[in-house]
Amino acid sequence: DAMVIQNPRYQVTQFGKPVTLSCSQTLNHNVMYWYQQKSSQAPKLLFHYYDKDFNNEADTPDNFQSRRPNTSFCFLDIRSPGLGDAAMYLCATSRATDTQYFGPGTRLTVL
Amino acid sequence: GENVEQHPSTLSVQEGDSAVIKCTYSDSASNYFPWYKQELGKRPQLIIDIRSNVGEKKDQRIAVTLNKTAKHFSLHITETQPEDSAVYFCAASTGGFKTIFGAGTRLFVKA
Repeated sequence: DAMVIQNPRYQVTQFGKPVTLSCSQTLNHNVMYWYQQKSSQAPKLLFHYYDKDFNNEADTPDNFQSRRPNTSFCFLDIRSPGLGDAAMYLCATSRATDTQYFGPGTRLTVL
Repeated sequence: GENVEQHPSTLSVQEGDSAVIKCTYSDSASNYFPWYKQELGKRPQLIIDIRSNVGEKKDQRIAVTLNKTAKHFSLHITETQPEDSAVYFCAASTGGFKTIFGAGTRLFVKA
């Protein structure tokens, strides 16, 4: 009965090789978020979708893109991963500005 | 913009003792304050939250207090158990889509 699902849980990619992380939800929430969390640090918001409206944080690198083809799915695309992009990537959802519920995360390793 | 400071960064208590984690926020417009617990390698999970129209909220062994004047809010865990060991994040939101997280407190409960 998982509500926010992320695939894969672990992803290994090579320096510069594009990678896509996936998030899906069964909550029918209209907002989906992507966070980057590095070891022992707080989650850092990259961007969010409110329905189909995309909202990028000012300090999110251009290397990070997102797609939301429908209410249930949201993707994080990293066009040219660098070593500094190795992190846990967390997807979260909410109904409007209510409480955010997190997925289990995808741990990205860049070789 | 909003800034959330969290203290202490590490807290070690004996099983059965109480633990208190404190946060301060900078934006007086903040009106929603969730607390998340994150175990190693797992997702942040909401454990309790409080809104600005309430000064205190309790759920079994967990309580949160809010002082709007001082812009402080605190998490209190009583009768701590080893399974309470985790990283705890406070957060603040102005009711929009952006939630600002504190840097986290690593809680160790010694049996």
